[in-house]
Amino acid sequence: SAVISQKPSRDICQRGTSLTIQCQVDSQVTMMFWYRQQPGQSLTLIATANQGSEATYESGFVIDKFPISRPNLTFSTLTVSNMSPEDSSIYLCSVLSGGAIDTQYFGPGTRLTVL
Amino acid sequence: RKEVEQDPGPFNVPEGATVAFNCTYSNSASQSFFWYRQDCRKEPKLLMSVYSSGNEDGRFTAQLNRASQYISLLIRDSKLSDSATYLCVVTQGGKLIFGQGTELSVKP
Repeated sequence: SAVISQKPSRDICQRGTSLTIQCQVDSQVTMMFWYRQQPGQSLTLIATANQGSEATYESGFVIDKFPISRPNLTFSTLTVSNMSPEDSSIYLCSVLSGGAIDTQYFGPGTRLTVL
Repeated sequence: RKEVEQDPGPFNVPEGATVAFNCTYSNSASQSFFWYRQDCRKEPKLLMSVYSSGNEDGRFTAQLNRASQYISLLIRDSKLSDSATYLCVVTQGGKLIFGQGTELSVKP
């Protein structure tokens, strides 16, 4: 199984600022995903980050608000830009390991609070 | 209509009880089906995949009915450690679609 770490684990930010979340995997993976889990809600896919190409965003999410980098096969970043209190959420990265959909692993998440 | 809908929770049950969770999905093109478990303030973890033939893993049994677009999870002899949120998950176009989750609380 893949071991995934995220930094920071939590942060409290001011309105209008930006935060970059890092996701590191212990093995090379083709597909990485970024999810959001708002308080009391389930997970919503923000985008798919593929190495060597631009991220693919889901409906309701745009690159200007959530720019993503994927410089290599073990690392990705998600930036939450120009934050507002509505962005308070847990952000999780996930990887598809082993080439099978049923081996999708999640990082521990980043708990973001925007004041 | 939500793509994946689950029983509203929370379910509060005594130790040793049998509890069943239900889930329906709206897209008949959904390809794979799973139950994930999420503990409080933790990331989701795969509990088990769900197959049309049904599958069992110890005290856990999962069933899939493609015709009815219905998935179930049965937990027998529930333990205190089973307390968590159970997420019904389907795949569409290679992406995981999550239900809102059902919270289970097992009491002594």
